[in-house]
Amino acid sequence: NAGVTQTPKFRILKIGQSMTLQCTQDMNHNYMYWYRQDPGMGLKLIYYSVGAGITDKGEVPNGYNVSRSTTEDFPLRLELAAPSQTSVYFCASSPDDRLRNSPLHFGNGTRLTVT
Amino acid sequence: DAKTTQPNSMESNEEEPVHLPCNHSTISGTDYIHWYRQLPSQGPEYVIHGLTSNVNNRMASLAIAEDRKSSTLILHRATLRDAAVYYCILQETYNTDKLIFGTGTRLQVFP
Repeated sequence: NAGVTQTPKFRILKIGQSMTLQCTQDMNHNYMYWYRQDPGMGLKLIYYSVGAGITDKGEVPNGYNVSRSTTEDFPLRLELAAPSQTSVYFCASSPDDRLRNSPLHFGNGTRLTVT
Repeated sequence: DAKTTQPNSMESNEEEPVHLPCNHSTISGTDYIHWYRQLPSQGPEYVIHGLTSNVNNRMASLAIAEDRKSSTLILHRATLRDAAVYYCILQETYNTDKLIFGTGTRLQVFP
């Protein structure tokens, strides 16, 4: 199994451009998450989803949008890129039992620079 | 959100045990304690989790205080590959199903 796959690995955007960070998982997990990690900091939750068609905001959702049309995919959209969105973005997934007895599986991240 | 407090950094020599502390004085009765680690340039990796009793797995042990206000991650014999940032996280029972990461403890392992 590939686990959680994120694309692209790296991207440079100009201010005001838009892009979609892709995340797909092949473990049939209902729960999926997007985190960002600024240099030297811990992870902050952007958005999460508890199943197809259901999404909710995390700690830092401003400037981002998500959708969850399938169990496998959870893309993160940046509409108007700003320098403050320069960060490493991690996607994660977990099975149905609400994290209490199941770990998060993380992808390897997308490093985004906005200049 | 429930918070955890960890030292910013710790050091260890190879093949010695390492005890990584975590304080979580505001923990609720049904909150799980999770530990993840993040190696350089990688996504976080699950290490261990528990509720009340001490837990062991192939990677580490988790010792939870009787009052649950603190816990300790134990690496029995540190290796150079254990050098990472270790995050202690509470999974909140009543605040939907998400983990809130702090800044973690950076563990350095010396040969």
